[in-house]
Amino acid sequence: GEDVEQSLFLSVREGDSSVINCTYTDSSSTYLYWYKQEPGAGLQLLTYIFSNMDMKQDQRLTVLLNKKDKHLSLRIADTQTGDSAIYFCAEDNNNDMRFGAGTRLTVKP
Amino acid sequence: GAVVSQHPSWVICKSGTSVKIECRSLDFQATTMFWYRQFPKQSLMLMATSNEGSKATYEQGVEKDKFLINHASLTLSTLTVTSAHPEDSSFYICSARRAGGAGYGYTFGSGTRLTVV
Repeated sequence: GEDVEQSLFLSVREGDSSVINCTYTDSSSTYLYWYKQEPGAGLQLLTYIFSNMDMKQDQRLTVLLNKKDKHLSLRIADTQTGDSAIYFCAEDNNNDMRFGAGTRLTVKP
Repeated sequence: GAVVSQHPSWVICKSGTSVKIECRSLDFQATTMFWYRQFPKQSLMLMATSNEGSKATYEQGVEKDKFLINHASLTLSTLTVTSAHPEDSSFYICSARRAGGAGYGYTFGSGTRLTVV
């Protein structure tokens, strides 16, 4: 099966919070990342969390990590139309990175 | 800091020709660079890992003779798609890991859209 799984689509209204979920399988992952990809562009690192942390907050972004369940989430507060993009979670095991399939976030006005 | 420049941004080539894609770390030394391929509406798939001065390590299913990777210096890695065919059309992205370990994160290039006609 997939190393990293995430739901493919999420639609929210402008101003609401968005929560994108991700599960991974590699227990040796040291860092977990969230990347944003806008159409036709490369990847932009949004945030990352070390595997011994439970939570990390950075302005509108909140990352929650449940290491026991190997579950990672990204919460975007006050979602804006400019947040519409594909969001990838990725795990890093010090050798390479494995990505989820990406969640396409659509923000409706 | 931590900028990775990838060129070209897009390229159209004829079937049977070869295309070279460059990935440069502009302000840091990248001991390891990664090459990914992304099909429409799919995730990034790791193609190969290249370490400066040594042969690249290819993922299962990736033809090393077709996708030639050279990592001749700490700031430059190249991917050459040889004898390109329409099925090679894809979005190719490189990333570089800064010396010092995973905590520095990975910096990605802006990607190259290859269209083979």
